[in-house]
Amino acid sequence: QQQVKQSPQSLIVQKGGISIINCAYENTAFDYFPWYQQFPGKGPALLIAIRPDVSEKKEGRFTISFNKSAKQFSLHIMDSQPGDSATYFCAASTKRSGSARQLTFGSGTQLTVLP
Amino acid sequence: DAGVTQSPTHLIKTRGQQVTLRCSPKSGHDTVSWYQQALGQGPQFIFQYYEEEERQRGNFPDRFSGHQFPNYSSELNVNALLLGDSALYLCASSSLFQGGYTFGSGTRLTVV
Repeated sequence: QQQVKQSPQSLIVQKGGISIINCAYENTAFDYFPWYQQFPGKGPALLIAIRPDVSEKKEGRFTISFNKSAKQFSLHIMDSQPGDSATYFCAASTKRSGSARQLTFGSGTQLTVLP
Repeated sequence: DAGVTQSPTHLIKTRGQQVTLRCSPKSGHDTVSWYQQALGQGPQFIFQYYEEEERQRGNFPDRFSGHQFPNYSSELNVNALLLGDSALYLCASSSLFQGGYTFGSGTRLTVV
């Protein structure tokens, strides 16, 4: 199965709070799990990514937690700011020899951070 | 350093018509992938081009075709447009060996 399931569909957080978005996958061949941030009228921009041999990766206020046995991964945004208000997509990828990566995206989470 | 450039930014077409979308990859990138993003959904992979050949294809009908030129730029062609083809079409470029997936801002296609 190629599907990546993402929840929640929308999320409202107060400024300074923690935003948590969850994703689950089925295909055990996936070996790269990026998170993208998308603002209206723009393409997705890479936020942070993790490989399945690592259980956690932190970059600034953004942390990915990865549970290989449960086939789940999540994005935590600490000290959420109004500027973080955007749509967030999880994705999963495999890479075949002779080809670049093909991304399978979740359905997205609309994050609103209230001032 | 220019990123991924897509043209046009917006387009309105009538059902049954044909459309061509264009993409210039980021400098240093040799691979172009195309995605369709319906309103409120995540992007879906259409196909990928490297060395002027289609290397991978998602679950899209043959009405969707593409091309890659020697300068690595790419075109996406859609024939016999349907209302359901209305979406944001995203181009992403990367380097086959060094990665670096970068998306353009997309072309908003509206079929009426």
